Amino acid sequence: EVQLLESGGGLVQPGGSLRLSCVASGFAFRSFAMSWVRQAPGKGLEWVSGFSGVDTSTYYADSVKGRFTISRDNSKNTLYLQMNSLRAEDTAVYYCAKEGYCTRFNCFEAFDQWGRGTLVTVSS
Amino acid sequence: QSVVTQPPSASGTPGQRVTISCSGSSSNIGSNPVTWYHQLPGTAPKLLIYSNDQRPSGVPDRFSGSKSGTSASLAISGLLSEDEADYYCAVWDDSLNGYVFGTGTKVTVL
Repeated sequence: EVQLLESGGGLVQPGGSLRLSCVASGFAFRSFAMSWVRQAPGKGLEWVSGFSGVDTSTYYADSVKGRFTISRDNSKNTLYLQMNSLRAEDTAVYYCAKEGYCTRFNCFEAFDQWGRGTLVTVSS
Repeated sequence: QSVVTQPPSASGTPGQRVTISCSGSSSNIGSNPVTWYHQLPGTAPKLLIYSNDQRPSGVPDRFSGSKSGTSASLAISGLLSEDEADYYCAVWDDSLNGYVFGTGTKVTVL
């Protein structure tokens, strides 16, 4: 069974930093791209950042570019999100998501597994 | 504000068919596959449709997806009370070099 477990959320002051972690199990973590997706209270889903499953390419939403850094440690089956210069508008539940729904014959772009999320609150 | 738009709400009575639209542009829906998710309150999103019109294993065939040009649609037929949730489309955007989620649609079962 695939499991994604996020941690590291909490209350932080504006301008502060946090590092989120997502521990994966139940699948070949190193072979799949992974993403962070967030949801502000009462709002919709927003893709934040992604890390390729085939090379070291990383991708960011414009809203976090230059402030957030995504990384992964395949030896620990763990995805990270380092968040710096946090703003009130970064307050959200942050989900870790596995990219790639695979059938018997092929894999397709899709966030097919999600963690339960970790809440980040940026407030003074 | 997302570059991919959905109607904020949709509704129907049990048994009816409801359709949700997802409107984008040539840099996203026009050139990449669309996925659909639903989200019950307080829970993580769940994949409903991948590659525009394919259902993952375990998703009922009441859910169907389609795409034409720069728009996509999700149809729910035989509406059930348990279908009351928020629905999102998502797609890669070649200009933004990242994924974009639609603005989301709240489906209410009357």
